[in-house]
Amino acid sequence: QKEVEQNSGPLSVPEGAIASLNCTYSDRGSQSFFWYRQYSGKSPELIMSIYSNGDKEDGRFTAQLNKASQYVSLLIRDSQPSDSATYLCAVTYTGGFKTIFGAGTRLFVKA
Amino acid sequence: GAVVSQHPSWVICKSGTSVKIECRSLDFQATTMFWYRQFPKQSLMLMATSNEGSKATYEQGVEKDKFLINHASLTLSTLTVTSAHPEDSSFYICSARTGNTGELFFGEGSRLTVL
Repeated sequence: QKEVEQNSGPLSVPEGAIASLNCTYSDRGSQSFFWYRQYSGKSPELIMSIYSNGDKEDGRFTAQLNKASQYVSLLIRDSQPSDSATYLCAVTYTGGFKTIFGAGTRLFVKA
Repeated sequence: GAVVSQHPSWVICKSGTSVKIECRSLDFQATTMFWYRQFPKQSLMLMATSNEGSKATYEQGVEKDKFLINHASLTLSTLTVTSAHPEDSSFYICSARTGNTGELFFGEGSRLTVL
């Protein structure tokens, strides 16, 4: 069974620090990788997508993908209290059409 | 990004009644939409894949006769929770893709409370 694993947290970081969120996946046939942010009581919103090994930067966010290790991470630089949310890692599998979500990591950024 | 709208955002109903939730893609055509359910402090669980013009594909353990899905047009999918019971109370979220990249765009979600 295909799985996406995340540490549930909570992860607590001070304002201005770097928050590091990690995710592993079970199927080497995975093709596309995503990070979604979900505020309490709201639906998820896409913040990063990554498709090839290496780093991808977008503003304060950097996604890192290592297919050999089956590992995806999200770095949030200069963390702000408004970044406090649950971050969901998601994976779409080769030949598949469904997206599998991890359980999410709760992030708290302390002012 | 693409815009997906969901309605109603919250609904309270009596046990035994049916509730319909609508999901619309506002600025693109979605041949496929996805319905998720999320219980408090848990992750998204895919319930079914809604295909325009054909039957929905349900995930294992999801009762297709209880959760009726209709995808009559390229911009509208509906989920009807039939004979709702308190254990059906949850946050229901629809999503859609705009292309083949796998990126999902979510509706606002519908919070269902069954009394």
